[in-house]
Amino acid sequence: DTEVTQTPKHLVMGMTNKKSLKCEQHMGHRAMYWYKQKAKKPPELMFVYSYEKLSINESVPSRFSPECPNSSLLNLHLHALQPEDSALYLCASSTRLSGGGVGEQFFGPGTRLTVL
Amino acid sequence: DQQVKQNSPSLSVQEGRISILNCDYTNSMFDYFLWYKKYPAEGPTFLISISSIKDKNEDGRFTVFLNKSAKHLSLHIVPSQPGDSAVYFCAASTPNQGGKLIFGQGTELSVKP
Repeated sequence: DTEVTQTPKHLVMGMTNKKSLKCEQHMGHRAMYWYKQKAKKPPELMFVYSYEKLSINESVPSRFSPECPNSSLLNLHLHALQPEDSALYLCASSTRLSGGGVGEQFFGPGTRLTVL
Repeated sequence: DQQVKQNSPSLSVQEGRISILNCDYTNSMFDYFLWYKKYPAEGPTFLISISSIKDKNEDGRFTVFLNKSAKHLSLHIVPSQPGDSAVYFCAASTPNQGGKLIFGQGTELSVKP
């Protein structure tokens, strides 16, 4: 199994809703990532988990809350989002973080989020 | 401060010809460079990478060249195929940055039959 899966594919939520995005990989990767991508822009890193521990938070607002329940799963909990948070949210995983170059990151298909 | 730059937002090439996508960087501490391809409504797909200790890496139709003195890398696709039409991102990382990739703005490649 060489893929990263993400659910749901599309999500529409109001500004008062609470929702979660899910990501799963079964490649044995110990590093997992959340990215946000706006149209015509490159992916922007949000969070990095290494061995189920949060290692990087790119000053993301607290309305985004990541969680890594185990080595295969990564969640992103959403609460009180703003319309400008509408974007494609991508999950990625890699074998390693650094040392001889970062491991190639494998991306999921993303969740298209719309905040009304 | 954009550390990784792809100055051409788009490129159009005839099928069978060579596509050359360019990327410039400013941070001399980058030690690893990657190219990703992205179709609309999909996540980026890893294509090819190169370590800073090398100047060339080849994988099938894809070759990446690194010129450290010029802080420039390029991706060559030959021969180009219509299925190669996508947005291509170059990305770079520094040692001990926890896996953080710095992406360029992307170049949209269109390969015409």
